[in-house]
Amino acid sequence: QSVLTQPASVSGSPGQSITISCTGTSSDVGSYNLVSWYQQHPGKAPKLIIYEGFKRPSGVSNRFSGSKSGNAASLTISGLQAEDEADYFCCSYGGVSPRYVFATGTKVTVL
Amino acid sequence: EVQLVESGGGLIPPGGSLRLSCAASGFSFSTYGMSWVRQAPGKGLEWVSYISTSSFTIYYADFVRGRFTISRDNAKNSLYLQMNSLRVEDSAIYYCAKEGLRHFDNWGQGTLVTVSS
Repeated sequence: QSVLTQPASVSGSPGQSITISCTGTSSDVGSYNLVSWYQQHPGKAPKLIIYEGFKRPSGVSNRFSGSKSGNAASLTISGLQAEDEADYFCCSYGGVSPRYVFATGTKVTVL
Repeated sequence: EVQLVESGGGLIPPGGSLRLSCAASGFSFSTYGMSWVRQAPGKGLEWVSYISTSSFTIYYADFVRGRFTISRDNAKNSLYLQMNSLRVEDSAIYYCAKEGLRHFDNWGQGTLVTVSS
């Protein structure tokens, strides 16, 4: 099963902006505008923060934004806050098999 | 409020079987596709299986095909995962997830499956 690629860790100071990259292939990220991003705090379930590449669910801060270009997607967190410290996973729809592919995740640390 | 509550996890020896359940509430269960996603301790997320609203369409990840069976009972607002021939590498937290349009818009808290002798 293919896995998307993310940096293992990203850090930033409060108020700064950080960007997490997510690299896939022409079979997943490059084929569909269906990249989603999930935030996961320790011991908690994942939470959807971005879908269809750039859309935010109701209730998600507009400090989170997403984009996609070719086989890569990215998540930007602006105005970094202590509560943003968590793991972030990108995910792409992959068609039938596998239906979805996830990245290994990025640990965001707020310095 | 959407709620997904998984149950059925536990400690099982290699080769054993386990049936996970997910009780759904707060939404019209029968009108949404559902998936199981797992996460090994300290690792990333892995999609396991998907079932459509009427159970007509079912997909599995290669690493569980032939061993796991997904099912649902719309009358009981419940999702299931029958896991047979369990391996050590199947040890993980198993989440049930409600699907939006090709994403997971709600997740349960997960149930831990540990496969060990």
